[in-house]
Amino acid sequence: KQEVTQIPAALSVPEGENLVLNCSFTDSAIYNLQWFRQDPGKGLTSLLLIQSSQREQTSGRLNASLDKSSGRSTLYIAASQPGDSATYLCAVSIAGNMLTFGGGTRLMVKP
Amino acid sequence: ETGVTQTPRHLVMGMTNKKSLKCEQHLGHNAMYWYKQSAKKPLELMFVYNFKEQTENNSVPSRFSPECPNSSHLFLHLHTLQPEDSALYLCASSQGQRSGLAKNIQYFGAGTRLSVL
Repeated sequence: KQEVTQIPAALSVPEGENLVLNCSFTDSAIYNLQWFRQDPGKGLTSLLLIQSSQREQTSGRLNASLDKSSGRSTLYIAASQPGDSATYLCAVSIAGNMLTFGGGTRLMVKP
Repeated sequence: ETGVTQTPRHLVMGMTNKKSLKCEQHLGHNAMYWYKQSAKKPLELMFVYNFKEQTENNSVPSRFSPECPNSSHLFLHLHTLQPEDSALYLCASSQGQRSGLAKNIQYFGAGTRLSVL
């Protein structure tokens, strides 16, 4: 059974810092990996999707990497801003397009 | 606005009530999903529909009954729920399995916050 773990569970940083969120998964037979953002009381917003054949994806200040063989992904956020405060979720796609989610990292960026 | 709308946003119900959650997507997608998000637990997939056919039931108790009348609408019928069923229920949609799994981004609604008393 696929298990997804995110470390750390919570993170507080001052504005302007570069930071890395970590995601690990136990079964490397994935189709893709997605990073989502969830604001309090709201649904999920897809940030980046990395196909299993790719190593990284970039969108603005966000960069996600994937090392399928070691079962790891990182989300790099450059020059963090208070508006980046949210919970970040990692999910891997397995057969039938089923997503298995990690527990999330709750990020607080202080002004 | 993601193009996926869920109603109601909040619902309080007793254990003997029957209620339904509704999800509607305006993205032209062919796959729809129900997820459950409980406090301190990861998001859990409940049901998957591809082209109106249920393709996944992730061992969900029968007190949860999904219905997908067309590719744009998805319902979750609730009856005889337990307090531990209180959670945020999220609906999502994507292009669908036939479109190629590798690029299948899921778009989520804002969720229904359910409280069972």
